[in-house]
Amino acid sequence: DQQVKQNSPSLSVQEGRISILNCDYTNSMFDYFLWYKKYPAEGPTFLISISSIKDKNEDGRFTVFLNKSAKHLSLHIVPSQPGDSAVYFCAASAKETSGSRLTFGEGTQLTVNP
Amino acid sequence: DAGITQSPRHKVTETGTPVTLRCHQTENHRYMYWYRQDPGHGLRLIHYSYGVKDTDKGEVSDGYSVSRSKTEDFLLTLESATSSQTSVYFCAIRNQETQYFGPGTRLLVL
Repeated sequence: DQQVKQNSPSLSVQEGRISILNCDYTNSMFDYFLWYKKYPAEGPTFLISISSIKDKNEDGRFTVFLNKSAKHLSLHIVPSQPGDSAVYFCAASAKETSGSRLTFGEGTQLTVNP
Repeated sequence: DAGITQSPRHKVTETGTPVTLRCHQTENHRYMYWYRQDPGHGLRLIHYSYGVKDTDKGEVSDGYSVSRSKTEDFLLTLESATSSQTSVYFCAIRNQETQYFGPGTRLLVL
């Protein structure tokens, strides 16, 4: 049972354009959502998060949108830069779950072409 | 930088041998986690700890055990390694609602 899904294994965009990465979830108990970026041979790096009481959170070039009714979140990167090329994971947690464990999506490989 | 180190960073071992991976943190966080990353699966939780000597299972705990005898160290042990445990292993700590990850250990079981 895949509770968090990233349906696009890969995405390619031109430098300067917008990158939109999508994530869907099925567990209505999830109340906190995060995006991580991962370069090869490194650990995931925290990027941005959003609580279920909000529908948008912005940090510089990165904005996360949450649509609770659709159980969908997205990460917008604008403008995209070649250094943004990495695998992006969305993750979700529920306060009620012991340990506040994270459930991850499968990841999306973003390639930003110069 | 969450002050997390993992050792070893790379290991090759043979089926049936025991393997222990170490995670060390310097910031006294209560919660620590072990994940494995495999293609097509994202990261999956193996075990986690919520304090010294307090641990619990994650979604893929079979074949793994953990120990936490002091706050800064969280050990993951494969009692008898199998080829299906070939993976990249990540340790994480929790700070408020966010988890921060170590650099990973790449394990190959032949």
